[in-house]
Amino acid sequence: NAGVTQTPKFQVLKTGQSMTLQCAQDMNHEYMSWYRQDPGMGLRLIHYSVGAGITDQGEVPNGYNVSRSTTEDFPLRLLSAAPSQTSVYFCASTTSTNEKLFFGSGTQLSVL
Amino acid sequence: GQQLNQSPQSMFIQEGEDVSMNCTSSSIFNTWLWYKQDPGEGPVLLIALYKAGELTSNGRLTAQFGITRKDSFLNISASIPSDVGIYFCAGHAGKSTFGDGTTLTVKP
Repeated sequence: NAGVTQTPKFQVLKTGQSMTLQCAQDMNHEYMSWYRQDPGMGLRLIHYSVGAGITDQGEVPNGYNVSRSTTEDFPLRLLSAAPSQTSVYFCASTTSTNEKLFFGSGTQLSVL
Repeated sequence: GQQLNQSPQSMFIQEGEDVSMNCTSSSIFNTWLWYKQDPGEGPVLLIALYKAGELTSNGRLTAQFGITRKDSFLNISASIPSDVGIYFCAGHAGKSTFGDGTTLTVKP
C-alpha cells in the first residue's frame, strides 16, 4: 500500500517558470490538502479539497492553483514561480470524518 | 486565523532524559494531535486526543488534552537517539492548524 505519493522529490525552477507538483493517494480518502513548510514556521495550509470537484483556499493560497478531478489525485500548480515560494511542500490526505492526516514525503522546491 | 504557540522551539538533551513540550492557543479545538517528522520525510501521527482532560499514552509518549481545550502537552520519557526529529502539535476544528514545531536533539 503506497499511501500518499508525491513527485518530484526535488525541483529547481527559475523565477517565472511554471510547474505542477503531483500528489496521489491510494487509500480512497475524500480529503486532500497541500502544506508548505518553512524553517521555524511549521506547516501552513495552502489549499484543500473535501472531494472530487471541490477545492478551497487555506491560509496561504496566493500564487498556487489546485484542481481535484479524481479522488486519487490533487496536483498543485505554480503558474509563475517566485523566490518566496522556495519551500518544502507536503501533500496530506484523510477520510472525511477523520482528523488524522497521512502525509507524503515532500517536494523540496527552490526558485532562483 | 487560528494560531498555535508551541514551545520550546528546540531542545538539546542527553539520552535517558525526559522531555516535555506544549502547545497553546487562543482558540478552542475539538481535537489535539501530535506528529513527528524525521529528516527528509513527512510528519507521522503519534497521538490523537479527543476530550478535554484526556491523557493518552503511546509507548514512552504521553499526551494530554488541556481542560480549557486551548492547550495540549507531550511528554517523552527516557529519550533515545531515534527520538530526534521535529515534533508538531496540531489543533483540529474543521481543519488542522499546526504549531511551529519543537526540534529535538538527543545526545548519546
